[in-house]
Amino acid sequence: NAGVTQTPKFQVLKTGQSMTLQCAQDMNHNSMYWYRQDPGMGLRLIYYSASEGTTDKGEVPNGYNVSRLNKREFSLRLESAAPSQTSVYFCASRFRPAGTNTGELFFGEGSRLTVL
Amino acid sequence: AQKITQTQPGMFVQEKEAVTLDCTYDTSDPSYGLFWYKQPSSGEMIFLIYQGSYDQQNATEGRYSLNFQKARKSANLVISASQLGDSAMYFCALPSGSARQLTFGSGTQLTVLP
Repeated sequence: NAGVTQTPKFQVLKTGQSMTLQCAQDMNHNSMYWYRQDPGMGLRLIYYSASEGTTDKGEVPNGYNVSRLNKREFSLRLESAAPSQTSVYFCASRFRPAGTNTGELFFGEGSRLTVL
Repeated sequence: AQKITQTQPGMFVQEKEAVTLDCTYDTSDPSYGLFWYKQPSSGEMIFLIYQGSYDQQNATEGRYSLNFQKARKSANLVISASQLGDSAMYFCALPSGSARQLTFGSGTQLTVLP
């Protein structure tokens, strides 16, 4: 099983350009997430999708949009990239039994984005 | 609001010794849990251990164990018999919100010395 696959792994953009980070999981998980990781700040949640057809803002949603295309795929779009969006982006998925807190996140390998 | 804090930006431990990584949290949820993840220098996120707030015994997974003290709102990770490969960043995380999405602490960089 591939688990969580995200593309591209590396990308350099100029300020104002747009791009989409793709994420797919093959574990039949309901929930999917996009995090960003900046040095010394841990992981911060950008957007999440608790189930197919729903998306919600996380802690740092400004400048991003998401699409839950189907149960497998959850994409993150930067419409007009800014240098402050230089970061490592992680996609993750999770199966959480209803009414519980269990079920760990499975992460992709990360996408390193640099905005010049 | 949920809050999770890791107060040790960096820690050093001698190989084969035990080390405790601190994690404190604040939550209004009556039922919650704590996750720990490891991030080596290669960048991937690796799940280590989980414990729910109603679990009676501290969780253990091989050399990893959780020292869960609900009264103190702490869930410290204990790594026994440290190995060089344990050198990594370690994050604790707390479920929060309607979808129980995970909120991560800022992490602790552990370095194991030979």
